Amino acid sequence: GAGVSQTPSNKVTEKGKYVELRCDPISGHTALYWYRQSLGQGPEFLIYFQGTGAADDSGLPNDRFFAVRPEGSVSTLKIQRTERGDSAVYLCASSLTSPGGGGSYEQYFGPGTRLTVT
Amino acid sequence: RKEVEQDPGPFNVPEGATVAFNCTYSNSASQSFFWYRQDCRKEPKLLMSVYSSGNEDGRFTAQLNRASQYISLLIRDSKLSDSATYLCVVRGFGNEKLTFGTGTRLTIIP
Repeated sequence: GAGVSQTPSNKVTEKGKYVELRCDPISGHTALYWYRQSLGQGPEFLIYFQGTGAADDSGLPNDRFFAVRPEGSVSTLKIQRTERGDSAVYLCASSLTSPGGGGSYEQYFGPGTRLTVT
Repeated sequence: RKEVEQDPGPFNVPEGATVAFNCTYSNSASQSFFWYRQDCRKEPKLLMSVYSSGNEDGRFTAQLNRASQYISLLIRDSKLSDSATYLCVVRGFGNEKLTFGTGTRLTIIP
């Protein structure tokens, strides 16, 4: 079946511009995650959605970053006033949800959006 | 101190050799442990979960030592196709987010 898809695959933007990154999770997966991976580093957690609500946004670096998932499926990560330090690969993952939490289901990652801020 | 620490390598190993990676984690409340594999410019994919009793999947063996907060991965009879970055990953109790190490880069040499 179809995996997690992300668009665009690459995005080049100028410093100060606004960008939106889209994630389409695996059908039926209620949990959705955003991570950011800088060069030479492992992915770093940003935000986690359970259904439509953000259950944990502790990884968002500052208020320039915002994410939504209005219908509990597709999610959009929004970055305002982009800075060169925002350049990274933004990864989305989805999973089924464990009853009672605890995260025992595998997270499946999309191919990522490579964001370059010039 | 990083929550999950790994030797970044690179490890350059001849085909057929055995290679071992180690990882330490700082949060004693961590509940679940994994090794992910990431090929160049690709997304991470789950290689295997790690259990306290140790577990094996073909040529791959993973071990967890909760007392020392230490995780290991052993690859036997390495293949060229094993060349990738191996990411050590932990998840806290009741916590959905994954915490990744920086990854260890492995290159298998013919």
